[in-house]
Amino acid sequence: DAGITQSPRHKVTETGTPVTLRCHQTENHRYMYWYRQDPGHGLRLIHYSYGVKDTDKGEVSDGYSVSRSKTEDFLLTLESATSSQTSVYFCATSPLSVSGYEQFFGPGTRLTVL
Amino acid sequence: DQQVKQNSPSLSVQEGRISILNCDYTNSMFDYFLWYKKYPAEGPTFLISISSIKDKNEDGRFTVFLNKSAKHLSLHIVPSQPGDSAVYFCAASEGGNEKLTFGTGTRLTIIP
Repeated sequence: DAGITQSPRHKVTETGTPVTLRCHQTENHRYMYWYRQDPGHGLRLIHYSYGVKDTDKGEVSDGYSVSRSKTEDFLLTLESATSSQTSVYFCATSPLSVSGYEQFFGPGTRLTVL
Repeated sequence: DQQVKQNSPSLSVQEGRISILNCDYTNSMFDYFLWYKKYPAEGPTFLISISSIKDKNEDGRFTVFLNKSAKHLSLHIVPSQPGDSAVYFCAASEGGNEKLTFGTGTRLTIIP
């Protein structure tokens, strides 16, 4: 395992409130990712980071922002949560070596926006 | 536009028989493919991968086959065991790109 933790594991919030999800890794992997999983859509990339303070958008980035001030932490923020952001969010990390492109996933955060 | 497709949302297989999960892709630039397994309330875990320079890769009970001309890959599990019941995702990477594109998943149920 890549030693990835996510907090909180479950959260219920109301529409319009800000929400921050945290991903913490202990493997010193360079790359970190945020995905959301929804029925019928599989895993979709929200944002990713290729180093401290270096981030880029994924497929479904609208309404989300991220920050990475340390190698081990990657934060996902919903500035003003909407019901369409109810989902399960997964963090992943990757060393991205020449031996392969595997990503290692955290346990997930179930977010409900009422 | 779904570049990686898993057209079977679910599959049921008798214990001990072969499970075959399929995945199709449309992007001809994809050159590395992975399979992930996911149990409820857990994150996906890496299962097996294959590079486009190969057409087969084996790891124990799991074998992945790649047909580049058909843009199709499959995962074979032999023999199937109850612990194999999970959702399986295929994923693809393009030219060493740091991003993976995932399929929508297939729920495999192994019947004892």
